[in-house]
Amino acid sequence: AQTVTQSQPEMSVQEAETVTLSCTYDTSESDYYLFWYKQPPSRQMILVIRQEAYKQQNATENRFSVNFQKAAKSFSLKISDSQLGDAAMYFCAYRKTQGGSEKLVFGKGTKLTVNP
Amino acid sequence: DAMVIQNPRYQVTQFGKPVTLSCSQTLNHNVMYWYQQKSSQAPKLLFHYYDKDFNNEADTPDNFQSRRPNTSFCFLDIRSPGLGDAAMYLCATSSRGLTYEQYFGPGTRLTVT
Repeated sequence: AQTVTQSQPEMSVQEAETVTLSCTYDTSESDYYLFWYKQPPSRQMILVIRQEAYKQQNATENRFSVNFQKAAKSFSLKISDSQLGDAAMYFCAYRKTQGGSEKLVFGKGTKLTVNP
Repeated sequence: DAMVIQNPRYQVTQFGKPVTLSCSQTLNHNVMYWYQQKSSQAPKLLFHYYDKDFNNEADTPDNFQSRRPNTSFCFLDIRSPGLGDAAMYLCATSSRGLTYEQYFGPGTRLTVT
């Protein structure tokens, strides 16, 4: 069964600095998608970044980038030049295909605090 | 802007009184999901529709049901809410065959008194 583990329940970072959130997953599939979602307090969950497993190049979206290590089944998120608006819960997710349907398997989340 | 809309944003119901939460989308996505999210936890998938095909998660209580009358709308019915059903309920959509990412609505926070 696919599982997603986020080992850091909480992280904090100083504004303008860099922080890395960890995520590991377990799967027997060779092709899959991984996602990082951001959920600010009392606001909706939005996609931060997506990685397709068959692509060796790490995905990048502005200040957000991932370190995807397929063999190690690791998918960490790096936030550069952290801003106050980055404070949120961050969920790592694996796209699972089951019976023709696609579902997301979420990690338990990491609460990121950004200190001014 | 294309989006996922959930109404109401806050819902208070009494113990045992049926309640319906609604979700609509302008994305024309063929898959719609309902999640339950309790405080500081990951979203838990309750069920989803692929077009009109309903897919229930094995551990979703019978108390929770869903309807999807058309592509744009999906409803979550809680037949007899208990105190343990108080949570944020998230609706999400995706378009199968494309990027597979899910687009989430803002959620409905359900309080059971």
